[in-house]
Order: sequence, then C-alpha cells, then structure tokens
Amino acid sequence: EPEVTQTPSHQVTQMGQEVILRCVPISNHLYFYWYRQILGQKVEFLVSFYNNEISEKSEIFDDQFSVERPDGSNFTLKIRSTKLEDSAMYFCASRVQGTLDTEAFFGQGTRLTVV
Amino acid sequence: GESVGLHLPTLSVQEGDNSIINCAYSNSASDYFIWYKQESGKGPQFIIDIRSNMDKRQGQRVTVLLNKTVKHLSLQIAATQPGDSAVYFCAEKWTTDSWGKLQFGAGTQVVVTP
Repeated sequence: EPEVTQTPSHQVTQMGQEVILRCVPISNHLYFYWYRQILGQKVEFLVSFYNNEISEKSEIFDDQFSVERPDGSNFTLKIRSTKLEDSAMYFCASRVQGTLDTEAFFGQGTRLTVV
Repeated sequence: GESVGLHLPTLSVQEGDNSIINCAYSNSASDYFIWYKQESGKGPQFIIDIRSNMDKRQGQRVTVLLNKTVKHLSLQIAATQPGDSAVYFCAEKWTTDSWGKLQFGAGTQVVVTP
C-alpha cells in the first residue's frame, strides 16, 4: 500500500540551527501539507502546497519556515533558526487531486527536539 | 516556558463491546469531517470521513454520525479489539479553507481492556 514517508524519524538540533525535514508523498498525489503536534497537544496545520506554491499557511508558519518541492518527489520543510518551542512532531501529509474533499494521508512523522 | 499538554478524555472499553467516541466541532460552516486514529509514535491514520450533506456513513466495523444541528460528530466502533487502543481525533474542514486544511480536535484516548 502506498504511503507517505518521512526522514529522519528523530532530529535533535541546537537552538538557532537550521533543520530540513524531508517527506516523500504518495506518488500520484498533488496536494501536500505539513502539520505539527507539540507533545500532548492537538495536531496543528502549518502549510498547504499545490502546483509548486503555497496555497495556505497558518499563523505558526512565519518567516522562519519555508517549504520546497525540489525534485518532483521530495517535499521539504525548512526551519531557518530553530527555537525551543519548535520542538514537536512534524507530520507531512498528501492527498490526491479532486473536486471533492478526500482524506489526507499522513506520514509517520519526524520528532524534532531543539536543545 | 513549560507547555502544558491537554488532558485527553479517556474511554475505557472492554474487548468485544462497542465504543462510541464523541466530538464537538467548532464551525457550523464546516463541510467535511474525518476521523483519524493515532497510535503512540505514529502519524494519524484515516478511519472514515463524512461530508456535511450526510448524517451517517458506515465502514468496516465503524460508523460515523453527524448532527449538524448541535455540531456533533461521533464514531462508533463495533466489537472493539485490542488493536483499537489509540487516540482518536475528529478533524473538520472549514468551507472557507483550502481543500485538505484540517482543524483537529483534542482527541480521545481509547483503552481496550481484555
């Protein structure tokens, strides 16, 4: 069964460092998302991406965050200068294009720990 | 500062019994709803969805009920099994949002006891 894959599974980084979280969405999907989940809290939307541009972003997704689809298969989330409060589980999701809503498939997540 | 996590409501169910998980959603204009299951250390896994023009949808061992009048969503799991132990989230899509942007609820911890 096709799945969304994320690497690494766990990333530890020092405050102020840049991190890149990587995702390979399901191959025929065209909509891509990043969500995050701070430990013990709700899953929160960060950004949606379609047709090589951001469709929508939340207030969490400030200038320190960026997304890219560099090569047609990977979808990355970059945090330029990490803060302690960026520590969370980051989930990539993708969905197939359609005129009706369809479910988003989530990856296993990358646990980011900022120290 | 230290972040305070949400205290998840917990539903304890005996194996073989039926489970009902409830969710109060936030936006009367939401037009699409999904139930996700999240096991420890894993990503949300799709269970079932329902559009706002429906009030009931059935899947394998699961049924979702939607009551738009009171903004309430429920997930029924028949013959609950140990593998059903997880956190269950309802998620809604607001009509004003782009496709796929979901608002997640706080979640319910389901514990299946033998």
